[in-house]
Amino acid sequence: DAKTTQPPSMDCAEGRAANLPCNHSTISGNEYVYWYRQIHSQGPQYIIHGLKNNETNEMASLIITEDRKSSTLILPHATLRDTAVYYCIVRASDRGSTLGRLYFGRGTQLTVWP
Amino acid sequence: NAGVTQTPKFQVLKTGQSMTLQCAQDMNHEYMSWYRQDPGMGLRLIHYSVGAGITDQGEVPNGYNVSRSTTEDFPLRLLSAAPSQTSVYFCASSSRQGHNQPQHFGDGTRLSIL
Repeated sequence: DAKTTQPPSMDCAEGRAANLPCNHSTISGNEYVYWYRQIHSQGPQYIIHGLKNNETNEMASLIITEDRKSSTLILPHATLRDTAVYYCIVRASDRGSTLGRLYFGRGTQLTVWP
Repeated sequence: NAGVTQTPKFQVLKTGQSMTLQCAQDMNHEYMSWYRQDPGMGLRLIHYSVGAGITDQGEVPNGYNVSRSTTEDFPLRLLSAAPSQTSVYFCASSSRQGHNQPQHFGDGTRLSIL
């Protein structure tokens, strides 16, 4: 699975959009980009994933560059409850017995301030 | 909705004691995994399973055993606990139906080895 690079920390004002970047320059054609977050002391929570098209759900939007070497997670109107560590993960779509595996890096600590 | 249930939530052991961390899911998911998380670090994969009767090692398997006799349960065993195994342990599950199903995590077991 491709390695990802994220900034260790970011700040965002409440009500503003939070844009979290992720570099995955060695991503392969069959690897998806996943985003999870972990609020303090809780288990990680799935946010969104995509292959090459931009994706949106009720939590966030995912923008993947055309060359797929980087992506941005967008929280359109950040709240205090969005303060968490955000993990960007790339994983192959169909690798048989490895399909259930995720490799987490250190993620980005997002702090939303009032 | 129970989802992924981990027990116990907290445990203190003495060096050399044995212990089984329990993980159960009620979503009929084929894939289950165990991760550990140490302060300031992301999650590291210990063991995973792609179905009943099938297990494999992750990044940090030493000192841990697993088995998968049923789809629902995936216990993690520490045969002889060591202080280096003090950590927060997370269990996760996901479906193999369709590509790239997200993983669902439990709330964690906080384990201290004295």
